[in-house]
Amino acid sequence: EDQVTQSPEALRLQEGESSSLNCSYTVSGLRGLFWYRQDPGKGPEFLFTLYSAGEEKEKERLKATLTKKESFLHITAPKPEDSATYLCAVQAAQGGSEKLVFGKGTKLTVNP
Amino acid sequence: NAGVTQTPKFRILKIGQSMTLQCTQDMNHNYMYWYRQDPGMGLKLIYYSVGAGITDKGEVPNGYNVSRSTTEDFPLRLELAAPSQTSVYFCASSSRWGAQFFGPGTRLTVL
Repeated sequence: EDQVTQSPEALRLQEGESSSLNCSYTVSGLRGLFWYRQDPGKGPEFLFTLYSAGEEKEKERLKATLTKKESFLHITAPKPEDSATYLCAVQAAQGGSEKLVFGKGTKLTVNP
Repeated sequence: NAGVTQTPKFRILKIGQSMTLQCTQDMNHNYMYWYRQDPGMGLKLIYYSVGAGITDKGEVPNGYNVSRSTTEDFPLRLELAAPSQTSVYFCASSSRWGAQFFGPGTRLTVL
């Protein structure tokens, strides 16, 4: 069974304090790994797709990386507006399925 | 370009009532999905569709029904609402193998 585990469940940072969020996965052949940002009361907002080990994607203060077993979302010099829940999801290559399996998310709080 | 829209935003139902959650997308995506999100439980797939006239069950389909008569619309029907269906419901759409784009959600309470 495909599984996604995110850690930590919650993370508090001071503004400017860089850190990383972890997404560990087991999947029967990875087609893609997706990162989303979700603000309270809103739907998830797409950030990145990673397809193969070694791949990196960047957007402003966020950088996502991928290995064969996990992905990291690095946050450099975060600002209070980066506070949100970050979701990771995997898509399996086998079985012809386009479905995503989501982790439970990491709630990030950045204090000014 | 509105993306994925959902109505209503909020709804309170009594036990045993029925309702339909509406979802429309304007991105010409063939793939559409319904999820529910409960606190601490992550997103769970209820139903999905790979094109008009084709639907399939996800992880938690019991108590729900869907139909897909057009590419744009993918309504979710709740029959005989139960307190266990209190949740936030999200609709999403995607191209094949592409990222899923989500609507703003419907917050449903069943009392």
